[in-house]
Parts: sequence; structure tokens; C-alpha cells
Amino acid sequence: NAGVTQTPKFRILKIGQSMTLQCTQDMNHNYMYWYRQDPGMGLKLIYYSVGAGITDKGEVPNGYNVSRSTTEDFPLRLELAAPSQTSVYFCASSYSAVSYEQYFGPGTRLTVT
Amino acid sequence: AQRVTQPEKLLSVFKGAPVELKCNYSYSGSPELFWYVQYSRQRLQLLLRHISRESIKGFTADLNKGETSFHLKKPFAQEEDSAMYYCALTGNTGKLIFGQGTTLQVKP
Repeated sequence: NAGVTQTPKFRILKIGQSMTLQCTQDMNHNYMYWYRQDPGMGLKLIYYSVGAGITDKGEVPNGYNVSRSTTEDFPLRLELAAPSQTSVYFCASSYSAVSYEQYFGPGTRLTVT
Repeated sequence: AQRVTQPEKLLSVFKGAPVELKCNYSYSGSPELFWYVQYSRQRLQLLLRHISRESIKGFTADLNKGETSFHLKKPFAQEEDSAMYYCALTGNTGKLIFGQGTTLQVKP
């Protein structure tokens, strides 16, 4: 099993550009999550999904959109990139919610200039 | 409000010394608590969870509901323990709330 994979690993965007961060898991997990990690701030939840077709906002959803058309994929869309979105983005998945381990992808380092 | 606080950004110890990474939480119900670890050039991974009451890589953590703490301890630090450690909790929503993280540096 590859676990949770993310692409790209690195990306530089200009202000106002858009992009999609890809996330795929092969563990048949229902729950998937997107986090951003800013220096000294820990990880903050952007969006999450409890199954195909179901998504909900996390703590910091502004400026992002998600979709979940399949169990495996959970892409994160950045529209009109801003410097405040410079961060490391992590995708994660879990079998269920409470008490279950979350499995993380390797991360995408995004710089907006 | 749900909150996890890790008061130390950096903890530096010598090899063989005891280690305690502090974690305090704020949650009105009964939380599930976790420690996640990120070694250099590796992805974030679960180290241990309080419901398992297990010891992983020599680390233990006890939930103290009176002090709302979940400190991570190891009696004798090893150089390979150097990493970033995150304390996290979930409530009934299942969403993980992370602390700010503590970098543990174990010097030879």
C-alpha cells in the first residue's frame, strides 16, 4: 500500500493564480482531511470529508475549496492565491473519526509570491 | 473552546537524560488524546494514544483529567528521538486539534 500520496511536493504560485493540490489514499478510508502547517502554529484543519460526496469546513476554510467524488481522492483547490496561503499542506485519512489514527501524506510546500 | 497547548517550542536534552514534553488541553467533555511525531524528512505519524495505555519506543503518556494534561515522558532519551512532537485531541466531532508542536533535540 502506498498509503496517502500528495502531489506536487513543491509549488511556487504568483498572487492571483489558482491550483489544485492532489491527495489520494489506497486504504479505503472514509474520512479524509486537509491541514495547513504554519511555522510555530501547529496544524490547522482546512476541510474534511466523511465519505464520497460529503465535505465540511474546518477551522480555516477561507480561500479553499474541496470535492470528494470518490473514496480515494480528496483534492484541495486554491482560488486566487494570496501570500497568506504560503504554508505546508498535509492530507490525511482515517478509517473513522474518534479514536482512530490519522495517516498523513508527505506534504506539499506551497509558496505564493 | 477546544485547545491544546504545548508550552515549549524547543526542548534540548543530552542523550540518556529523562524527557518530558508538556501538553495541556482545554475541552469540556471527555477527549481522546494523541501524540504524533514527525522525524526529519518523514511524514507525521501516530506515536501513541491515551486509550491504548501503551509504551511506544520507550515513551509513555498519562492522561491527568484533574490537571487537564497529557505529558509525554521517556526515562532515557536517545539521539533517534530527535523530532517534532505534536499533542492532539479529538472530541465527539472526531476532528483533530493540534498543539503548536515541540521540537525535541537530543544531543550526544
